[in-house]
Amino acid sequence: GQNIDQPTEMTATEGAIVQINCTYQTSGFNGLFWYQQHAGEAPTFLSYNVLDGLEEKGRFSSFLSRSKGYSYLLLKELQMKDSASYLCAAANSGYALNFGKGTSLLVTP
Amino acid sequence: EADIYQTPRYLVIGTGKKITLECSQTMGHDKMYWYQQDPGMELHLIHYSYGVNSTEKGDLSSESTVSRIRTEHFPLTLESARPSHTSQYLCASSEPGADEQFFGPGTRLTVL
Repeated sequence: GQNIDQPTEMTATEGAIVQINCTYQTSGFNGLFWYQQHAGEAPTFLSYNVLDGLEEKGRFSSFLSRSKGYSYLLLKELQMKDSASYLCAAANSGYALNFGKGTSLLVTP
Repeated sequence: EADIYQTPRYLVIGTGKKITLECSQTMGHDKMYWYQQDPGMELHLIHYSYGVNSTEKGDLSSESTVSRIRTEHFPLTLESARPSHTSQYLCASSEPGADEQFFGPGTRLTVL
């Protein structure tokens, strides 16, 4: 079965750093994705981890620990436009994605 | 820039109507997907295809059907729409393997 858990909501201040955690249980794991979704829009790809460790891409970084079934998305130098829902998704053995409910991030001035 | 398109973007119809939601991609991707997402809720996979003439049901049971006659086209059909079908439908595509999925803009369906 598939089980993706992430916090429902988070609030952070502009310019700060925020870490969004995700735990997963999935059969036939083939990688962990993070997507950003603004209200009423389609998800856009942020990152993909299949090996343990940290992947850095500009202001966004993503970490994976396969043994712990754990990932996090780190957002640095937060901007107001980063207010969105962040979706954690685990790829199964067929490479279909199982999405979590998303973490709604509010960035305040 | 991903080239995946969905039409219509918004649709309001009456109960019992037959509708087809269109999805097309110009990237030559073999894999295509349909997700259903209610407001504030997670995406649920309802159909996927690994290539022409290949279609599979996803994790969430759906009364819709799909077809894949051409690589670039993956339409979703509801034979008789009901209010419970009101939702956002998102189409996505990807290359073979666990690559990122590119999402279309979505179709927001309301059934009265």
